[in-house]
This record gives sequence, structure tokens and C-alpha cells, in this order.
Amino acid sequence: DAKTTQPPSMDCAEGRAANLPCNHSTISGNEYVYWYRQIHSQGPQYIIHGLKNNETNEMASLIITEDRKSSTLILPHATLRDTAVYYCIGSGTYKYIFGTGTRLKVLA
Amino acid sequence: DTGVSQDPRHKITKRGQNVTFRCDPISEHNRLYWYRQTLGQGPEFLTYFQNEAQLEKSRLLSDRFSAERPKGSFSTLEIQRTEQGDSAMYLCASSLAQWDSPLHFGNGTRLTVT
Repeated sequence: DAKTTQPPSMDCAEGRAANLPCNHSTISGNEYVYWYRQIHSQGPQYIIHGLKNNETNEMASLIITEDRKSSTLILPHATLRDTAVYYCIGSGTYKYIFGTGTRLKVLA
Repeated sequence: DTGVSQDPRHKITKRGQNVTFRCDPISEHNRLYWYRQTLGQGPEFLTYFQNEAQLEKSRLLSDRFSAERPKGSFSTLEIQRTEQGDSAMYLCASSLAQWDSPLHFGNGTRLTVT
């Protein structure tokens, strides 16, 4: 499974787009990039995943660079409820290895 | 979809006691995972089942830990002779057995060993 690197923390103003970066330079061709978030005292919540193409769902957009060495999770209009720890994971097997993630704080 | 259910949500026990946690996965999911999470850290993989077969155990899972998934449905995680270092959040997740199926987590069992 790919090793991922994320900034430890970020702030974002409410209503603005939150762009969370992730480096996964060791990702292999068949490994997906997954994003999860965890709000205090809850289990991680699945957000989105992708392999090569950009993906969008009702929660977020995922932009993967052409060389697949990095990706960005975009929350288009951040709200206070988006304050959480966001985890980026590269996985091509059954096992998902979590790092320490990015603590996003959305400011009013 | 009722989600992944874990019971109990909180458990306080004295050192040396045994504890057992239960996880009910999403019904059509045949993969089930246990993770452990301590404060400020991401979840750490403990073990994984496909149907009733336990296919991998992390080195974190000492001999005091045992997990079962009889009949490939719910799972239990037992910790014998608990130690203070076992205090953590124990998370269960489930997924379909396909290449890109994401994990769906329960809200965990928080264990405090006094």
C-alpha cells in the first residue's frame, strides 16, 4: 500500500472551498486513492475514491494528477460541520493503512 | 442500509479483566475489519475477515486478543487480561469483497482500562 503524506492541519473560511492535498508518490498503478474523514468521537466516514480520473460526488471532488503522485480533495463550500480530520489512503488490496491525516478547521 | 453497528459504545474495566466487543457489519458485506485508534493517531489495522475466515492479523494483535466471525456475519473481539495500554477506541468496518469497495466504519467501542 502506498505511503501518503498530508499537512497536519489547515484552516478554511466557511463558505469557501477547502482544498486538501495529499502526496502519494509511491502509489502503484492498481492502487486507488481513498479519502475518509473523522469527526470527533465517531468512526471514519468514507468520502470518495478514484484511480486515475477525477471524481465527484455529493460530498466532494477528487482531483488526481496525471502522474498519480498526488491528489486534492475539494469541499466546494465548506461548512462548520466539515471540521474534521481528513485521511488520504492509497490501497490496492484489502488493507487500508491510515496516517495521521489533516485536521481541517472551518472558521465562521 | 443500517450501517455498521458496534456494542457497547463505551466500556470501563479494571486491569486484568476480560472484555468482549461486538460488531454487526452491513448485511451484504463479506469483509470485516477491526482497527484500533489512540488519541491523535489514525486507525491502526488489527485484523481482517473474509466471510468466516480470518485472513490476516497484525503484529499489534497480541496473544491476549482474539477475534471471531462465526457464520460470516457478526464478529467479536475479545481482550483477555486487559492492560492500561489497551485503552483505545476499537473500530469495526465492513466492505464488499471487490477491488475498490470502500470501508464503512461503525462508531467504535471506547475502552478505558483503569
